[in-house]
Amino acid sequence: NAGVTQTPKFQVLKTGQSMTLQCAQDMNHNSMYWYRQDPGMGLRLIYYSASEGTTDKGEVPNGYNVSRLNKREFSLRLESAAPSQTSVYFCASSPTSGGPMAGELFFGEGSRLTVL
Amino acid sequence: RKEVEQDPGPFNVPEGATVAFNCTYSNSASQSFFWYRQDCRKEPKLLMSVYSSGNEDGRFTAQLNRASQYISLLIRDSKLSDSATYLCVVNKNQGGKLIFGQGTELSVKP
Repeated sequence: NAGVTQTPKFQVLKTGQSMTLQCAQDMNHNSMYWYRQDPGMGLRLIYYSASEGTTDKGEVPNGYNVSRLNKREFSLRLESAAPSQTSVYFCASSPTSGGPMAGELFFGEGSRLTVL
Repeated sequence: RKEVEQDPGPFNVPEGATVAFNCTYSNSASQSFFWYRQDCRKEPKLLMSVYSSGNEDGRFTAQLNRASQYISLLIRDSKLSDSATYLCVVNKNQGGKLIFGQGTELSVKP
């Protein structure tokens, strides 16, 4: 029962380096999300994809790009990492395609990123 | 003003106590609400959904007050295993955007 799988689980970057966080789900879910979690801030939505082929900005999209490669995969890219992007990143998926009643999210285990 | 606000706590309670958390939201168009539980350094997991006035599941009761724009979570007969952070989540009714509160930390002591 893999569910939502994120890689890598840990990463240390230097300022200005780029990297991609990978996320894949095997539950045939329509929607996928990327959140970041910082102490005292809760989870903040970076980007989400209500269905294959669509992506939308969340609360804190600056400095990030996303790709919904297919229904299973949703990647998050940091083009030029900054210390402010040090955080725990969570990918999630949902069986619904957005809408007013959507809210059941299944999360990956998180990716801990440190930018020096 | 944050879109979803929670008292961060921590709430320190003895085993067997009843404890309640509140969460306020700013978007009156929101139609669905959720409580998630997050254990230390783990991923959040869905605890309860709140679509109408409320929902009950065993020792847990969630209530919704649309007029005042808040939801609450009541935990009765607290167990040590209830120690976690409880996250309030609101669907903004904007194509599936889900907004999390900052979480309320609960510590249940023997």
